[in-house]
Amino acid sequence: AQTVTQSQPEMSVQEAETVTLSCTYDTSESDYYLFWYKQPPSRQMILVIRQEAYKQQNATENRFSVNFQKAAKSFSLKISDSQLGDAAMYFCALIQGAQKLVFGQGTRLTINP
Amino acid sequence: GAGVSQSPSNKVTEKGKDVELRCDPISGHTALYWYRQSLGQGLEFLIYFQGNSAPDKSGLPSDRFSAERTGGSVSTLTIQRTQQEDSAVYLCASSFGRVGYGYTFGSGTRLTVV
Repeated sequence: AQTVTQSQPEMSVQEAETVTLSCTYDTSESDYYLFWYKQPPSRQMILVIRQEAYKQQNATENRFSVNFQKAAKSFSLKISDSQLGDAAMYFCALIQGAQKLVFGQGTRLTINP
Repeated sequence: GAGVSQSPSNKVTEKGKDVELRCDPISGHTALYWYRQSLGQGLEFLIYFQGNSAPDKSGLPSDRFSAERTGGSVSTLTIQRTQQEDSAVYLCASSFGRVGYGYTFGSGTRLTVV
């Protein structure tokens, strides 16, 4: 069975600085997809970024980028130029053939003005 | 619709009562998922629909929990004889059902059992 682990329950960063959220996972499959979701107080999960395991190039979306290390089964999220609106819970997630997203426990990110 | 709609947004019920939670997915999304999120926790998978059938209901915690989907659209999650440990946010998501595409989530129903 696949598992996703986020070892940082909470992180904080100064506004305009860069922060990295960690995620490790375990799967026996070679073809899978990884995601980072953001959950603000509104509760709605918002897709931040997506990575296909067969692509070596790290995905980027504006200020958000990932460091995907397939051999190490690591998938960290880097947020550059942090903004107050980035404050939220961030969840790392994995999906493979079963089409069921498996989530980590989440990291609460605080942005200090 | 433009997004995944869930109702009610909040529900307070007495222990032992039955509750129904509704999810209206994005039009054209064939796959629908229910997750449960307890306070400060990650998301726990409950059940997955492809069309009207549920190929994976492995996450339903007990036989008090059931779900159905009609017309390949709206889904209802029913919890019978609610218990205090059922208190959580219930999130619904939908997708095109193709592997690799992320889900679109609703804002959830916060259920409180008193």
